[in-house]
Amino acid sequence: GIQVEQSPPDLILQEGANSTLRCNFSDSVNNLQWFHQNPWGQLINLFYIPSGTKQNGRLSATTVATERYSLLYISSSQTTDSGVYFCAVESDKLIFGTGTRLQVFP
Amino acid sequence: DAGITQSPRHKVTETGTPVTLRCHQTENHRYMYWYRQDPGHGLRLIHYSYGVKDTDKGEVSDGYSVSRSKTEDFLLTLESATSSQTSVYFCAISEIWKTKNIQYFGAGTRLSVL
Repeated sequence: GIQVEQSPPDLILQEGANSTLRCNFSDSVNNLQWFHQNPWGQLINLFYIPSGTKQNGRLSATTVATERYSLLYISSSQTTDSGVYFCAVESDKLIFGTGTRLQVFP
Repeated sequence: DAGITQSPRHKVTETGTPVTLRCHQTENHRYMYWYRQDPGHGLRLIHYSYGVKDTDKGEVSDGYSVSRSKTEDFLLTLESATSSQTSVYFCAISEIWKTKNIQYFGAGTRLSVL
């Protein structure tokens, strides 16, 4: 089946810093989503982005499907950005990566 | 939250007892899913449903069964709970718009099997 690798596994930032999270996948996919799991455990959709670039406020994402990777950019990070960020890809079922744990300190 | 309610939110049970988790949705979505989340594994699909009485296995289905007798309810049953089934369980629905298949998740159920 499809393998999904996320990097880095852990990231510690000070408020105001920028960061880039990466998701590599091993085969062609027809769906790619980014989720944020907040410290209370809730999974929140950030982007549906099987290809191209999208932006939503301080967050943006780019997927290069031909090269099998996606990037999530967080600019001017805030403490509320803390949590785990998951990439999930789908060919016939949604497969999750193991996540990047982000901690943002004041 | 796409109208998804999971119950109970927390449960502690003993090895060998049956456990049923409920997922209820209010928006008539066809597809529903059960995942488990464990450290180091992300989320893994247990079972999913593509309609009333239509279900199929996911990646980690052993020890679990599901039922969907109504569009709005998707039940996950552990017939005889084991300690390896201690986990956080998430229900999800798919909102399908044109070719997009976007999944939305419930708040999760934390299950401890002692």
